[in-house]
Amino acid sequence: QQQVKQSPQSLIVQKGGISIINCAYENTAFDYFPWYQQFPGKGPALLIAIRPDVSEKKEGRFTISFNKSAKQFSLHIMDSQPGDSATYFCAARPDDYKLSFGAGTTVTVRA
Amino acid sequence: DTAVSQTPKYLVTQMGNDKSIKCEQNLGHDTMYWYKQDSKKFLKIMFSYNNKELIINETVPNRFSPKSPDKAHLNLHINSLELGDSAVYFCASSQDGGLPYGYTFGSGTRLTVV
Repeated sequence: QQQVKQSPQSLIVQKGGISIINCAYENTAFDYFPWYQQFPGKGPALLIAIRPDVSEKKEGRFTISFNKSAKQFSLHIMDSQPGDSATYFCAARPDDYKLSFGAGTTVTVRA
Repeated sequence: DTAVSQTPKYLVTQMGNDKSIKCEQNLGHDTMYWYKQDSKKFLKIMFSYNNKELIINETVPNRFSPKSPDKAHLNLHINSLELGDSAVYFCASSQDGGLPYGYTFGSGTRLTVV
């Protein structure tokens, strides 16, 4: 049973465009919402994270928007670059020793 | 200077065999994890260990037995391998439940059972 639902499964964006990935959850006990980036043959790496008391967090070209009432959060990649081509996972933390991941979104940035 | 290292990177074995994957972290973290990534890239937690103690066993078949000899190591032994065990297995570590710095993952071990 997937606790975090992620969409779309894949997306293609032109260089310089905006990539948007959405996630939704049900469990209001989640207290931490990270995004991970994974390149082929590598492990996931933490990209950016947010706590539920904040509605937006920006780090460089990456922004998380968080809507607590709707139980949704999203990742925006501004000015997408070919080097951003990767699989992105949203996740949520239900307790101290566990992260539940979304199904992943494969982003392809066309030059 | 690799933060979380797993060995081997690739493992091809026959059904019914027993195999082990080793994991070591040099970050001084107190918690280590095993995650399984299937062919659709879905990441699912298998085990969490905090200070060598098992915290989470996420309904994994008892053919899978983790062992943590110390805080820096978490190994995974798999008995009687089945075709469905084919996947990429990731070791990860964190401090204080993962806040605020998240998990650090290894590069994965691709297990293929034939």
